[in-house]
Amino acid sequence: AQSVTQLGSHVSVSEGALVLLRCNYSSSVPPYLFWYVQYPNQGLQLLLKYTSAATLVKGINGFEAEFKKSETSFHLTKPSAHMSDAAEYFCAVRGSSASKIIFGSGTRLSIRP
Amino acid sequence: DGGITQSPKYLFRKEGQNVTLSCEQNLNHDAMYWYRQDPGQGLRLIYYSQIVNDFQKGDIAEGYSVSREKKESFPLTVTSAQKNPTAFYLCASRGGLAGAQNEQFFGPGTRLTVL
Repeated sequence: AQSVTQLGSHVSVSEGALVLLRCNYSSSVPPYLFWYVQYPNQGLQLLLKYTSAATLVKGINGFEAEFKKSETSFHLTKPSAHMSDAAEYFCAVRGSSASKIIFGSGTRLSIRP
Repeated sequence: DGGITQSPKYLFRKEGQNVTLSCEQNLNHDAMYWYRQDPGQGLRLIYYSQIVNDFQKGDIAEGYSVSREKKESFPLTVTSAQKNPTAFYLCASRGGLAGAQNEQFFGPGTRLTVL
């Protein structure tokens, strides 16, 4: 069965510091992986996705993620945090029923001035 | 300007009442989804539909019902049988074949509060 584990329900970094949000997955099929961002009281927006074309995936707003099969990880990073990055971030994996996506429990990112 | 709309943004319901949440998409997507979001629990799938006139239960379908009479519409009814309906409800859609790597697109959500 497919599953996603996001380590850390809350991450706080200073403005300008590195952002690292951790995601580990389990999948019985070649994984398709996604990172979504959600701002308060809004829907989810796709940041980036991994579909086996390249292990380093670049997304919107300066975020990127690296797929590491040996570690079953797909961590999200951004070199320099901005106040506008404060939001909830969800890692997700394609489900065993290919039309479904399995979401992690989310990581709330706070940015300190 | 393609996208997904959900209405209303905020909804208040008295206990014992049924209420219907609207979801419309003009992306020409075949698949549509309803999720429930509670603080600290991520998204849980309520129902999904891969094609018109067909839908399947998700992980927490009890107390909810849906219909898919048109490709662009996938309304969700929260019935009085749902024990704890206060939550944020998200609708999503997805294009392409079921096995493709396409992502889901989300609407802005409806916050339902039971008084």
